[in-house]
Amino acid sequence: ETGVTQSPTHLIKTRGQQVTLRCSSQSGHNTVSWYQQALGQGPQFIFQYYREEENGRGNFPPRFSGLQFPNYSSELNVNALELDDSALYLCASRSGATPASYNEQFFGPGTRLTVL
Amino acid sequence: GESVGLHLPTLSVQEGDNSIINCAYSNSASDYFIWYKQESGKGPQFIIDIRSNMDKRQGQRVTVLLNKTVKHLSLQIAATQPGDSAVYFCAENNGRPGNTGKLIFGQGTTLQVKP
Repeated sequence: ETGVTQSPTHLIKTRGQQVTLRCSSQSGHNTVSWYQQALGQGPQFIFQYYREEENGRGNFPPRFSGLQFPNYSSELNVNALELDDSALYLCASRSGATPASYNEQFFGPGTRLTVL
Repeated sequence: GESVGLHLPTLSVQEGDNSIINCAYSNSASDYFIWYKQESGKGPQFIIDIRSNMDKRQGQRVTVLLNKTVKHLSLQIAATQPGDSAVYFCAENNGRPGNTGKLIFGQGTTLQVKP
């Protein structure tokens, strides 16, 4: 098991609602990335946070936003939920003096979001 | 566009045999590659990585081979065990500013180990 934890484990929302997912990074890790994994697919990069700032973003609309806190934990917020947002949301943390360092990313167990 | 693909969706092997999982990537600028294992209900687990200045790297029971000429990556698992049953993903990172940390995953290969 990695030291990355995510909450909640499962979540059910209805279309149009807003959701906040949380991630605690492994001790000593200052960089957090979020991924969306649809059923039967590989994870897709949403964005990365380094020192509380977004550093790198994938092809996701602005209604996907995030935060990183001084203790390096992070939140993923999704507004105006759509049915296609139903997926497993994964958080990954890694250490590095800069976000460019190639350090192993440790994934959490994910939050399963279902949008009805 | 960027894509990482796997040649086979499912691989079935006998316990004790060697397994080979293949992956093709399209971005010639990619310089870092990783193999992940994902068991049901869990997040991806790091197996082994390789940088583009290498063509082979070995770990415990696993070997990754990188062929940059044909943009192909493979994962070899020796003496496959039932605990190796999972979905395996290859992922790439091209390290460009703003892209660091952005891993591009393939769709995954399901490895089934028969006792």
